[in-house]
Amino acid sequence: GAGVSQTPSNKVTEKGKYVELRCDPISGHTALYWYRQSLGQGPEFLIYFQGTGAADDSGLPNDRFFAVRPEGSVSTLKIQRTERGDSAVYLCASSVNPSGSHEQYFGPGTRLTVT
Amino acid sequence: AQKVTQAQTEISVVEKEDVTLDCVYETRDTTYYLFWYKQPPSGELVFLIRRNSFDEQNEISGRYSWNFQKSTSSFNFTITASQVVDSAVYFCALSASNTGKLIFGQGTTLQVKP
Repeated sequence: GAGVSQTPSNKVTEKGKYVELRCDPISGHTALYWYRQSLGQGPEFLIYFQGTGAADDSGLPNDRFFAVRPEGSVSTLKIQRTERGDSAVYLCASSVNPSGSHEQYFGPGTRLTVT
Repeated sequence: AQKVTQAQTEISVVEKEDVTLDCVYETRDTTYYLFWYKQPPSGELVFLIRRNSFDEQNEISGRYSWNFQKSTSSFNFTITASQVVDSAVYFCALSASNTGKLIFGQGTTLQVKP
């Protein structure tokens, strides 16, 4: 079956602009996660959803970052007033449920570059 | 707080050598899960294995094996008879039982030379 998909694969934007990154999880997976990976680092947790609700958003760096999952499937990560420090690969993952007993399947990521 | 440490930043071996990637973790949870993921040059993270804190039995899968030792908080990964296609960044990760949120280590870059 289809894996996790993310669009766009690459996004270049100017400092101060607004961007949206989209994630389409594996069908039937109720848990959806967003991570951010900077060059040479491991992924860092941002937020996860169980169904439509954000169950844990403790990893969002500040209030410029926001994510939604209105119908419990596709999710959108929104970044306002982008800064050069936001440049990274944004990874989305999904899992059967949010328990640690299930592995997460990752998408290919969106490479965000803020100039 | 939870933490994962992969002390080896880069490892370089010649094809057919065995190689072990180290992972040490910290957690106060009594129930937790440990993972290894592979990130090849293409960039997509690939799940390799998951172990829970109650199961210290070591596992072998083909050329891969994992050694989980709760007493030393370690979850090491060995590749036997390495191949060029094993070249990638390998991440160890930890999650609590109730959220699935993954805490990743810094990663170990493995280069296998022909």
